[in-house]
Amino acid sequence: DVKVTQSSRYLVKRTGEKVFLECVQDMDHENMFWYRQDPGLGLRLIYFSYDVKMKEKGDIPEGYSVSREKKERFSLILESASTNQTSMYLCASSSGQFNQPQHFGDGTRLSIL
Amino acid sequence: DQQVKQNSPSLSVQEGRISILNCDYTNSMFDYFLWYKKYPAEGPTFLISISSIKDKNEDGRFTVFLNKSAKHLSLHIVPSQPGDSAVYFCAASGRGSNYKLTFGKGTLLTVNP
Repeated sequence: DVKVTQSSRYLVKRTGEKVFLECVQDMDHENMFWYRQDPGLGLRLIYFSYDVKMKEKGDIPEGYSVSREKKERFSLILESASTNQTSMYLCASSSGQFNQPQHFGDGTRLSIL
Repeated sequence: DQQVKQNSPSLSVQEGRISILNCDYTNSMFDYFLWYKKYPAEGPTFLISISSIKDKNEDGRFTVFLNKSAKHLSLHIVPSQPGDSAVYFCAASGRGSNYKLTFGKGTLLTVNP
């Protein structure tokens, strides 16, 4: 069965901190994605990766960076956390084959104080 | 510019009746469409998808219809059950999108016993 695991369900950090969100998938998927979900805005893509060490910006990359050193792991980094980055963060993965769904983790509720 | 639109923020139906969730898109390059269900504090769960070469796809109680000329798709749930109460997201991707999905803002479905 498909499994995407996010390291924390809830996280509280302070303004200015460097924050790491980790995601691991066990399906040997080529593609991995980071989204944030905010009320009334749906899911917005932050960054994605289609191979190890490869990354592309999504729709809202400002204030974020990512790292993919191994195929199964994709990290989202908030370089200097700000209160407007308080949100639900969702990681997803998908096969590199055409027309395949993305599978999501359970999300990390991040609060920046 | 919102390329995938779910114009109904919420929908309420009686248990046992049909639920119809609607989605419109503007990008004619989209050729793969998906529906996800999301419970609070969980990640989205893939429900059903349809390729643009088809106009209908069925999986148990869930059927997705695609009208390419109208750039419209709908999800039918028959019969609706209280456990179907969740937020439903429509998503789309197309050639050249590099596996990225574009999501609508979601529709909250409430199924009343």
